[in-house]
Amino acid sequence: DIVMTQSPDSLAVSLGERATVNCKSSQSVLHSTHNKNYLTWYQQKPGQPPKLLIYWASTRESGVPERFSGSGSGTDFTLTIGSLQAEDVAVYYCQQHYTTPLTFGQGTKVEV
Amino acid sequence: EVQLVESGGGVVQPGGSLRLSCVASGFTFENYAMHWVRQVPGKGLEWVSLINGDGEKISYADSVKGRFTVSRDNSKNSLYLQMNSLRTEDTALYYCVRDYSTRWDNWFGPWGQGTLVTVSS
Repeated sequence: DIVMTQSPDSLAVSLGERATVNCKSSQSVLHSTHNKNYLTWYQQKPGQPPKLLIYWASTRESGVPERFSGSGSGTDFTLTIGSLQAEDVAVYYCQQHYTTPLTFGQGTKVEV
Repeated sequence: EVQLVESGGGVVQPGGSLRLSCVASGFTFENYAMHWVRQVPGKGLEWVSLINGDGEKISYADSVKGRFTVSRDNSKNSLYLQMNSLRTEDTALYYCVRDYSTRWDNWFGPWGQGTLVTVSS
């Protein structure tokens, strides 16, 4: 199984400051044929199901604010919130879809 | 508007069974793979199972393999999860989730609100 490890487990960021969440996979999720990273990011607010933010490691889902960006390749990935807003307080998860079983990181709680 | 509505959760004793259902609307159900994902309240996400559009391809997490069975009825726009030999560690909120697109991407688009399964004596 591909193990996804996020860091840190939680972080506190001032409004307007940058937040960075890291995700590391135990093996590469870069598909050589498609040259795409099979890595997605989700945001989960309290009492709500997760919401897709980014797929293919760096493609923002429609409607997601531009302050959210994804980067990385192979085994190391980053979600960046460029200027934290109050509504961004949530838990963020990475997920690999390179192979089954599909696996998530343990989550990173972003607070103000 | 895409809607996924789960039902069937409840309290069951260890060793018991439950059948979860999910009714979908707002999209052509048979064109999408579907997933079950669970979450222990306050904890992380765990993928449980997937089934492709015609029901021919199925996959499970090792933690539920041999105990859970996923199925679908495209004529009823419905997804099911039969859970047998339940254990206390199966206690979680179970989400019905649609695959992102008709390509079968294995990442997650719309989610339901979940149905809570509690396994306790």
